[in-house]
Amino acid sequence: RKEVEQDPGPFNVPEGATVAFNCTYSNSASQSFFWYRQDCRKEPKLLMSVYSSGNEDGRFTAQLNRASQYISLLIRDSKLSDSATYLCVVLSGAGSYQLTFGKGTKLSVIP
Amino acid sequence: DADVTQTPRNRITKTGKRIMLECSQTKGHDRMYWYRQDPGLGLRLIYYSFDVKDINKGEISDGYSVSRQAQAKFSLSLESAIPNQTALYFCATSDSDRGGTEAFFGQGTRLTVV
Repeated sequence: RKEVEQDPGPFNVPEGATVAFNCTYSNSASQSFFWYRQDCRKEPKLLMSVYSSGNEDGRFTAQLNRASQYISLLIRDSKLSDSATYLCVVLSGAGSYQLTFGKGTKLSVIP
Repeated sequence: DADVTQTPRNRITKTGKRIMLECSQTKGHDRMYWYRQDPGLGLRLIYYSFDVKDINKGEISDGYSVSRQAQAKFSLSLESAIPNQTALYFCATSDSDRGGTEAFFGQGTRLTVV
């Protein structure tokens, strides 16, 4: 089982739609979790951290289920500017604190 | 100006040539990383450094070497480039004082080995 797995997509959704991305991780000792966004041919940038209690930032909601080793990202009212690849990222490794990236899920929001 | 700067941004080189990719940062972070990104394979860690005297191999270090010349500089070398090292390379930094969590990336170096 790969360390961080995501559905690669692509997800093609109309403007205004709600879309959800899922991610699973294999290391039960992982400490922290994030969603990064990467635009085409650009560098990844932090979108939001993911907390056990779930957290929301505007139209974006992230959730973590430690028991199932599962992370999700929900985007409501999709905008054209949300089109990008979304990377699930896990921080793990006792003492080494390595960031492990999923392969990403590509989202295209269509007019 | 970018906080994490990579040079060159694009490079085409021939098989067997030595090439160095450079990364410098003005964020004052102690941790620096080199990743490569290939279509369908995502970002994979090549080397990482938690301070000037600490260098560690990542997932795919074979064929690469690094040098941490100063806290702000971390360079990646390909001693003898081969075509399957054609990829997009990213340098990143993080701050251990903040748990080393958020990574800040350079704009990437697109390397083509012919």
